[in-house]
Amino acid sequence: DAKTTQPTSMDCAEGRAANLPCNHSTISGNEYVYWYRQIHSQGPQYIIHGLKNNETNEMASLIITEDRKSSTLILPHATLRDTAVYYCIVRVAGGNTGKLIFGQGTTLQVKP
Amino acid sequence: DAGVTQSPTHLIKTRGQQVTLRCSPKSGHDTVSWYQQALGQGPQFIFQYYEEEERQRGNFPDRFSGHQFPNYSSELNVNALLLGDSALYLCASSSDRRQGNTEAFFGQGTRLTVV
Repeated sequence: DAKTTQPTSMDCAEGRAANLPCNHSTISGNEYVYWYRQIHSQGPQYIIHGLKNNETNEMASLIITEDRKSSTLILPHATLRDTAVYYCIVRVAGGNTGKLIFGQGTTLQVKP
Repeated sequence: DAGVTQSPTHLIKTRGQQVTLRCSPKSGHDTVSWYQQALGQGPQFIFQYYEEEERQRGNFPDRFSGHQFPNYSSELNVNALLLGDSALYLCASSSDRRQGNTEAFFGQGTRLTVV
């Protein structure tokens, strides 16, 4: 079973920041938080990952709470092309990098 | 870099038949994982191949089998197809030769329809 809990769906206005929450209250000390997204009928796309510090790349920012029990993915200026299902996944660091346990994810609808 | 490529993109098979799906990993990657994604669900891990051997397996019956070749490409075979096998089959490649926390890259998937 997935070790994360996410809202089923969210809406966001185009140009505004999209904040997607994720709860992972049973996360272990050696587990990272990964975010992937899946645009309709395509393969999942890696977005970002982190351990305990906030992370930022060209796609998004990841904010992890100090107790690491929850995190938020931030898309700073959402566009219509960001409409997708967003998956939050926790995974042990190191080897076996290909095995991911997906939950239901959050369907983000960006509206004009 | 072509990324992860899967073939075919779409496939229609009859119940009871057998099917083979193919995956070429991203350049430099040595590990291939296969996932099944039913409509409206998240991807479910089938199994993973590393060094031409099945390293880990999810909760799927023996009708699902695979193979990895010396060039790291992989095949997924499904025997005795059932209507419930209709799904998007995804291949993900990654590298276990690198240390640290690498990400997996996914292909576009093969849409299998069993009729």
